[in-house]
Amino acid sequence: EAGVVQSPRYKIIEKKQPVAFWCNPISGHNTLYWYLQNLGQGPELLIRYENEEAVDDSQLPKDRFSAERLKGVDSTLKIQPAELGDSAVYLCASSNPTGELFFGEGSRLTVL
Amino acid sequence: AQTVTQSQPEMSVQEAETVTLSCTYDTSESDYYLFWYKQPPSRQMILVIRQEAYKQQNATENRFSVNFQKAAKSFSLKISDSQLGDAAMYFCAYRPGANSKLTFGKGITLSVRP
Repeated sequence: EAGVVQSPRYKIIEKKQPVAFWCNPISGHNTLYWYLQNLGQGPELLIRYENEEAVDDSQLPKDRFSAERLKGVDSTLKIQPAELGDSAVYLCASSNPTGELFFGEGSRLTVL
Repeated sequence: AQTVTQSQPEMSVQEAETVTLSCTYDTSESDYYLFWYKQPPSRQMILVIRQEAYKQQNATENRFSVNFQKAAKSFSLKISDSQLGDAAMYFCAYRPGANSKLTFGKGITLSVRP
């Protein structure tokens, strides 16, 4: 069974540029999460989806961050414009009916 | 608000020895879930062990076991017979419901000495 797939693995951009990350969850997992992980820190939830509905986006900085999961399967997280402080790893996870989370390898963003 | 505290930033253990990683949490819920996740240098987070708060018996998964003290809101992870492959960051995490928000601690870096 394929795991959670994220792309790109690494992205380097100039500040004020846009960037997008893509996530394909495990087949059949209705719940999808985007987490932000700063270096040496634990992941922090940005947004959680139940199918195509964002049920918790309270921690998503909506002035520059957006996310979508149009068909309730794969998801995209966008930052526009990126700032220096956005440099981090963006983790996607999906969960099975028992609530166990499975994580992707993450997308490491460097903003110069 | 729920918080998860891992007060030790780093620990080191000799190969084949036993090490215990500490975690405390704060919640007003009576039913919840606790987890330990491992994140090796490749960065993919994997589940090590989970504990349901309503279960009194401590969870065990091969060399990994927990000491769950509900009244003290403590949830420590014991790794027995440590192996070089156990070297990673370990995160304690809390979740109030089956598919609700998972809150992580800051993590602890475990190194294993050969």
